[in-house]
Amino acid sequence: DTAVSQTPKYLVTQMGNDKSIKCEQNLGHDTMYWYKQDSKKFLKIMFSYNNKELIINETVPNRFSPKSPDKAHLNLHINSLELGDSAVYFCASSGLGGYEKLFFGSGTQLSVL
Amino acid sequence: SQQGEEDPQALSIQEGENATMNCSYKTSINNLQWYRQNSGRGLVHLILIRSNEREKHSGRLRVTLDTSKKSSSLLITASRAADTASYFCATDASQAGTALIFGKGTTLSVSS
Repeated sequence: DTAVSQTPKYLVTQMGNDKSIKCEQNLGHDTMYWYKQDSKKFLKIMFSYNNKELIINETVPNRFSPKSPDKAHLNLHINSLELGDSAVYFCASSGLGGYEKLFFGSGTQLSVL
Repeated sequence: SQQGEEDPQALSIQEGENATMNCSYKTSINNLQWYRQNSGRGLVHLILIRSNEREKHSGRLRVTLDTSKKSSSLLITASRAADTASYFCATDASQAGTALIFGKGTTLSVSS
């Protein structure tokens, strides 16, 4: 079983569309995250959830909204997609509130045309 | 602001050689971690070193931490072609919350 799984792996869409990326972890972790990796491989934290509560919200446009139906899932909704949103989005999870190692999903390559 | 900065940005070596990557950070930390990312894949945790530790080993990996200089190094000994990947350091940057903050990474190419 994959520890952290996210779908889809590839997402190609037009500007202005709304899309979602799903993430699930089966590690029993309390904290889940979304990271964005740009074309230069720079990883930026977007959100983290701890026990269904948002604890970090970096300077991310409000077009991005995390949704956590339960502790094992953290989905990412993106409204009105823009060209600059093209990137690879990674879901991750950790125990102990993030002071231990992260387990990453395999990433979702989002291309906005 | 970005916490970690890796150096060099890119490194090319031959199989069997050692590879050393450095990471500098700006604020005090609880721990520092190193991750590997193979092309098209997610990041994989390699090693964690706590702020009260100076050196840690895991197989062919050796990590050092100098909190006075706010720097860390990752040494991969006897490199293999399979070590070809990007390597990132990450710090907990406790002032910013509980999410790890990653550097820009070092791209390592090991040729046979």
